[in-house]
Amino acid sequence: DAMVIQNPRYQVTQFGKPVTLSCSQTLNHNVMYWYQQKSSQAPKLLFHYYDKDFNNEADTPDNFQSRRPNTSFCFLDIRSPGLGDAAMYLCATSRDPGQGSDTQYFGPGTRLTVL
Amino acid sequence: GESVGLHLPTLSVQEGDNSIINCAYSNSASDYFIWYKQESGKGPQFIIDIRSNMDKRQGQRVTVLLNKTVKHLSLQIAATQPGDSAVYFCAENIGNYGQNFVFGPGTRLSVLP
Repeated sequence: DAMVIQNPRYQVTQFGKPVTLSCSQTLNHNVMYWYQQKSSQAPKLLFHYYDKDFNNEADTPDNFQSRRPNTSFCFLDIRSPGLGDAAMYLCATSRDPGQGSDTQYFGPGTRLTVL
Repeated sequence: GESVGLHLPTLSVQEGDNSIINCAYSNSASDYFIWYKQESGKGPQFIIDIRSNMDKRQGQRVTVLLNKTVKHLSLQIAATQPGDSAVYFCAENIGNYGQNFVFGPGTRLSVLP
């Protein structure tokens, strides 16, 4: 059973055209993350939500925004995609660390192409 | 703690041999570490984790060793199989309340028949 679901799996957008990627989870985890992964590189954390608290990484461009309307869903909005934003975008979740486990569970990713 | 690099290091092993994948982490305050396996076109898959109060942890066919003195982590895979071929990442948790993971650069494991 899928636990972290990302839609779509493949997304093509045009240079400068806003795009939204979605993530949902069936784990009821407190924390949701968005990572960017470029070819042959490690995933890079963009931001995460701890419940409704948003935590942005210092070097995440303003072009990237996120929304978490409820526990199950989290969105990544790219306001004006550039060619350099073409990458795999990974969503992940984890439980409240106070419950003794920080393990992250990843979705399959959305591969974004910018034309 | 940023991972950079356009060329993944590659480890090639014969099927049935043991594999050892190494990782140097950046922050001496990191208290939790995870090894992930990532196959082509898929998200990272959890393999095994270890907390900083341990120096060894074993799973099924996998062992993680942690050396805090030199900030080094290793993943040992016993009797490597073709299905083990993938990119392996270590990740360290450096967040204040445990939610800031930084990934290492990754190692591509290639299993030869």
